[in-house]
Amino acid sequence: ELKVEQNPLFLSMQEGKNYTIYCNYSTTSDRLYWYRQDPGKSLESLFVLLSNGAVKQEGRLMASLDTKARLSTLHITAAVHDLSATYFCAVDKKTSYDKVIFGPGTSLSVIP
Amino acid sequence: AAGVIQSPRHLIKEKRETATLKCYPIPRHDTVYWYQQGPGQDPQFLISFYEKMQSDKGSIPDRFSAQQFSDYHSELNMSSLELGDSALYFCASSLGGQGAYEQYFGPGTRLTVT
Repeated sequence: ELKVEQNPLFLSMQEGKNYTIYCNYSTTSDRLYWYRQDPGKSLESLFVLLSNGAVKQEGRLMASLDTKARLSTLHITAAVHDLSATYFCAVDKKTSYDKVIFGPGTSLSVIP
Repeated sequence: AAGVIQSPRHLIKEKRETATLKCYPIPRHDTVYWYQQGPGQDPQFLISFYEKMQSDKGSIPDRFSAQQFSDYHSELNMSSLELGDSALYFCASSLGGQGAYEQYFGPGTRLTVT
């Protein structure tokens, strides 16, 4: 059974600092997603990573994927308050009509 | 670009009532997925449909049922509502038969059971 873990689950950081959120998954997967969710809001797709070594960057966020280690990272550079949200990683299989399995989420709070 | 549409966006029901949530997938998408997200929880898969047939089933209570119609929209029917059914319900769609499979999520329906 495919399981997804994230750490840390809660992260409080000061503005201007860097930090990394880690996502591990238990079995082979074809696609890894990172989503952002503000309280009570929908899931905003940040990145979709498809292959080993994939790296994508958008603003202060950069995501990478190591399929051999079954690990993805979401790196935050020079955090700003607007990045405060819950970040979910999720995985699914490309070759079937398979469900997306979500991690527990990392609640990020950026303190001015 | 057109996105997944869900209606209603907010719904308040009393215990033991029924509720119907609707999902309209992205045009040409043939696969629909339903997820339930409780307060402070990650989204949990409920059920999915491909070409109007159920393709996968997750932790969906027997009180819930769903179907996909000929125009590919889907409805989630919830009966004998309980307080614990209060959650955000997401629908996602994908182009299942063409090898893409990436799921696109709708804005969600917030159901409150009182």
